[in-house]
This record gives sequence, C-alpha cells and structure tokens, in this order.
Amino acid sequence: AQTVTQSQPEMSVQEAETVTLSCTYDTSESDYYLFWYKQPPSRQMILVIRQEAYKQQNATENRFSVNFQKAAKSFSLKISDSQLGDAAMYFCAYRSPNTGNQFYFGTGTSLTVIP
Amino acid sequence: KAGVTQTPRYLIKTRGQQVTLSCSPISGHRSVSWYQQTPGQGLQFLFEYFSETQRNKGNFPGRFSGRQFSNSRSEMNVSTLELGDSALYLCASSLAPDRGRNEQFFGPGTRLTVL
Repeated sequence: AQTVTQSQPEMSVQEAETVTLSCTYDTSESDYYLFWYKQPPSRQMILVIRQEAYKQQNATENRFSVNFQKAAKSFSLKISDSQLGDAAMYFCAYRSPNTGNQFYFGTGTSLTVIP
Repeated sequence: KAGVTQTPRYLIKTRGQQVTLSCSPISGHRSVSWYQQTPGQGLQFLFEYFSETQRNKGNFPGRFSGRQFSNSRSEMNVSTLELGDSALYLCASSLAPDRGRNEQFFGPGTRLTVL
C-alpha cells in the first residue's frame, strides 16, 4: 500500500520568511499525483498545490512551490514570504489512477507563523 | 457556486447508538468520498461513491456504511458507536472518478463525539 510520511510534526517561520515542509512517499507506481492541502483552524481542507508525476517541472502557485524529486520519492512544499494566514496544518497527499479518488495522506505538519 | 456542505457540524452521541451524517457535493459533482480524521490515525479513507454506487472502500469495519442518492448527496452511517469513532468526518466531492486528475473539494466536516 502507498504510504506518505511527513517527518516534521511542527514547524515555525517568521512572517515574510521562507519555510519548507517535507514529504516522502512510497509507491511502486509510475503514474500518480501528489498534493499539498492546507487545513486552517476552521477545519476546511483547501488545495494548495498539485503535481503530476509525469511532469518534470515543479509546480508553482504564487508564493507556494514544490520540489518534486521522483527518484527520491520526495515532495517538499516551499512557502515564500510567509503570511499570518499561512498558519495551518499542511497535509501531503498521494493519489493514483489505480486508487481512483482515494487519497493517502501524511500525518500533517502544523505551521506557526510568527509575527 | 456553493461549496461542499456537511450536516450536522457537531454531534454528540453515546456508545451503542447509531449516527447518520450527510454530505451535499458541489453542484454538478457526482463523486463523493468520505474520510475519518483523528489525532492518532490522521486522515483515513472510508469510501467513495459515484452514480449511487460504492466504487472503493477503506479498511473500516462493517459498522461504517454509506450511500449516495440520485442527486449525488451522500450519507454515511455508523452503527453501534464506539468511543474510538470520535473524529472529524470529512466529505470531499469531485466531478467524477477520473484516474486522480480532478481536484477534490472538501467540506467543513462533522465533528462526532462519542461519550
């Protein structure tokens, strides 16, 4: 079964600074999708960024970017110019054609932004 | 366009009781997935429905069941509640099961407390 590991239960960053959240995954599949979701205290999960495994180019969405290392099975999230509103739980997730819409989630990283 | 709605938002039950949670997907979305979120186990997949048919099921006991109606609204039911069923139950909707490409949109969740 696919597993997703987030080794940093908690991280903190100064406002306006950059922080990187780590994620590794284990799979034998070659075609899959990776996601970062944000869950603020309001609990609503929000998609931050998505990466297709077949694309070598790292995905970017404004201040959010990923470092996708397929061979190393690593998928880290970089948040630039951190803002107070970035404070939340961040979940790394995996999906593949073989699993349909089923996500495999990591255990999450709680990000604190220090003013 | 309205987002995914879940009712009720909070629920308190006692052991042995039964509970039904409801999820209304985004208009036009026909696929609904359910997840259980607990501090100890993280986010775990319960099941997925599309066109009133269960397409995928996670590793949960038979006390957990669900269904989907012709208007794509979904319900999940937990019978004979146990203390360990206390969790945040999240529903996610997407256009269709499509090999993982389509984005899933999450609802705010139902917080179930079993006493």
